[in-house]
Amino acid sequence: KNEVEQSPQNLTAQEGEFITINCSYSVGISALHWLQQHPGGGIVSLFMLSSGKKKHGRLIATINIQEKHSSLHITASHPRDSAVYICAVPNTGNQFYFGTGTSLTVIP
Amino acid sequence: EPEVTQTPSHQVTQMGQEVILRCVPISNHLYFYWYRQILGQKVEFLVSFYNNEISEKSEIFDDQFSVERPDGSNFTLKIRSTKLEDSAMYFCASLPGLAGSYEQYFGPGTRLTVT
Repeated sequence: KNEVEQSPQNLTAQEGEFITINCSYSVGISALHWLQQHPGGGIVSLFMLSSGKKKHGRLIATINIQEKHSSLHITASHPRDSAVYICAVPNTGNQFYFGTGTSLTVIP
Repeated sequence: EPEVTQTPSHQVTQMGQEVILRCVPISNHLYFYWYRQILGQKVEFLVSFYNNEISEKSEIFDDQFSVERPDGSNFTLKIRSTKLEDSAMYFCASLPGLAGSYEQYFGPGTRLTVT
C-alpha cells in the first residue's frame, strides 16, 4: 500500500516551462513536506506547509488539507531544477511516509 | 548556516559485520531521524528519536538495528550483523521541534555497501 502517491513519476520539460508535481496522501496529520533530491543523492527540504500556499523564488507549494492533496509548481523551469522531488507526510507519532518521488529533467 | 553532518560518506563492509553510522545533528534541534534509501527506491523511515529515546520505529527497524545519542552531540545508527539487503544510502535528519518549526534538515548520507 502507498500512503503517499505522487504523479507523474517522470517528467521531462523544456527550459522555461511551467511544471506541476502532484502529491496525494491517505495518512498523516495536517502538514506535508516537499523535498528535493539531487543526482548526487543529497536531500534538501523545500517546504513544510500545513495550509494554503507557500512561495520561495520560482517554487510554489499548495496544499488542500480536506482533499489531502498538495502540488509543487516550478515557474520558468531551468536545467538546474533537474532533480527528484519527493513529498513526505508525518503521522501523529512522528513517523514520516515518503512518496516515490518525481524525477524531473529540464532540457535546455 | 548550521548543517547536519554524517560520517563516513561511504562504508563497505562484509556480511555479518557490525557497522556504526554516525551523524551530528544541528545543535539545538530536538528530534532526530534515520532513513534509508535502497538504490532506485523511495526513501524509507527507520526511526525517530526524541528526549533520549526512540519515539517511533518502522517495521524495517528490527532487533539488528539500534540508535544512540551517546554524548549529546552524535547520533548513531548501529547495524549489528549486516545483510546484503542492508546495502543502501542512510540519511540522518534533525528537526528543531520548537512550536511551528517542523522543517527537517538532512545530512548528506552514508552509502553502505555490504558484500
